[in-house]
Amino acid sequence: GQQVMQIPQYQHVQEGEDFTTYCNSSTTLSNIQWYKQRPGGHPVFLIQLVKSGEVKKQKRLTFQFGEAKKNSSLHITATQTTDVGTYFCAGPGDADGLTFGKGTHLIIQP
Amino acid sequence: DTAVSQTPKYLVTQMGNDKSIKCEQNLGHDTMYWYKQDSKKFLKIMFSYNNKELIINETVPNRFSPKSPDKAHLNLHINSLELGDSAVYFCASSEGLYPFNEQFFGPGTRLTVL
Repeated sequence: GQQVMQIPQYQHVQEGEDFTTYCNSSTTLSNIQWYKQRPGGHPVFLIQLVKSGEVKKQKRLTFQFGEAKKNSSLHITATQTTDVGTYFCAGPGDADGLTFGKGTHLIIQP
Repeated sequence: DTAVSQTPKYLVTQMGNDKSIKCEQNLGHDTMYWYKQDSKKFLKIMFSYNNKELIINETVPNRFSPKSPDKAHLNLHINSLELGDSAVYFCASSEGLYPFNEQFFGPGTRLTVL
């Protein structure tokens, strides 16, 4: 099935620094979704990107979908301790479900 | 009100046993899913179920079988449990079929096979 590669696997930042996670696919994606999972929690939907070159913002979070619809990024400005968690990108996958990237674990040092 | 609920939250059992995990959604969604998250946090789709049609990820062993008594429930039955089945299992639901609908996840069931 389709694979979605996500980097980095871990990211340590000082509180207040910016954070970016990147997602790449070898094939064109019809859309891409982003989820956040807090430690001990479950994935929670953040956003969906559908259009080529699309940029969406949610407060300090900026999501981009590449022009070729093969890559995407999530950027967090001025991280806060509440941003801790694992961020997953996800594209269309097997069994009509989602194919998740391996996630980026964001660790914030106060 | 909890949108997607799962029971039990924790399940500890011996190898070879058969167990079930229940999932219910009160969102009125048409499609439900089961995902497996391993110890490295990798999330993998196992099944999706929509309007009595079951779609199976071919990598899932046939010891795993979902059963849907009605549109709001999709239970997961696991036969002859193995050590490698230890993981967190998430149920999810969406309105209509993917790929254009967000998925709502349940709180997860942590299965430990001894």
